[in-house]
Amino acid sequence: DAGVIQSPRHEVTEMGQEVTLRCKPISGHDYLFWYRQTMMRGLELLIYFNNNVPIDDSGMPEDRFSAKMPNASFSTLKIQPSEPRDSAVYFCASSYTQSGGLSSGNTIYFGEGSWLTVV
Amino acid sequence: AQSVTQPDIHITVSEGASLELRCNYSYGATPYLFWYVQSPGQGLQLLLKYFSGDTLVQGIKGFEAEFKRSQSSFNLRKPSVHWSDAAEYFCAVGSIYNNNDMRFGAGTRLTVKP
Repeated sequence: DAGVIQSPRHEVTEMGQEVTLRCKPISGHDYLFWYRQTMMRGLELLIYFNNNVPIDDSGMPEDRFSAKMPNASFSTLKIQPSEPRDSAVYFCASSYTQSGGLSSGNTIYFGEGSWLTVV
Repeated sequence: AQSVTQPDIHITVSEGASLELRCNYSYGATPYLFWYVQSPGQGLQLLLKYFSGDTLVQGIKGFEAEFKRSQSSFNLRKPSVHWSDAAEYFCAVGSIYNNNDMRFGAGTRLTVKP
């Protein structure tokens, strides 16, 4: 069973360049998340989608960041222009809505991350 | 909003020794609680989770965790640590009203001495 697939795994880019990170969630999952992990701030939720619709983007740091989910099997996180402080590991994750109301809970499954370095 | 605290930034244990990683949460209702492990250069892997029912939860790789409502804790335990357990461990708390509003602790880095 394929997990969450992210690409690229590693990227080094120059300041000012556009960066696009890609994610394929687990098939059948209706939620998709983008997280950022840094030493200083730990793991932060940037944005999440439900059925391809952005639900909460309050964690997106600034207008240079944008995320899209054109269909259920693909999402992108774009940084334009990139800055050195954007260097981090970006995780995509997905989950599915369980039945059972409040007694149920979603488990979030993470990809292996995209390691971004902006020089 | 819910929050989680992992008091220990770094723990070192000897191989074969027992392990307990602490996690305290803040939430006004019964939370959803998770432990994830992250090996160097890897993503986060779910170890175990608590949603309801039995407060002692068994996970993968021989880990278990106990939900203690009176102490607002969800500590992770393993009776005998293996060298391969060296990793970063994250506790996370989710809201029962919004499963996807999950907050992570800062993590505890585990070093295993031979």
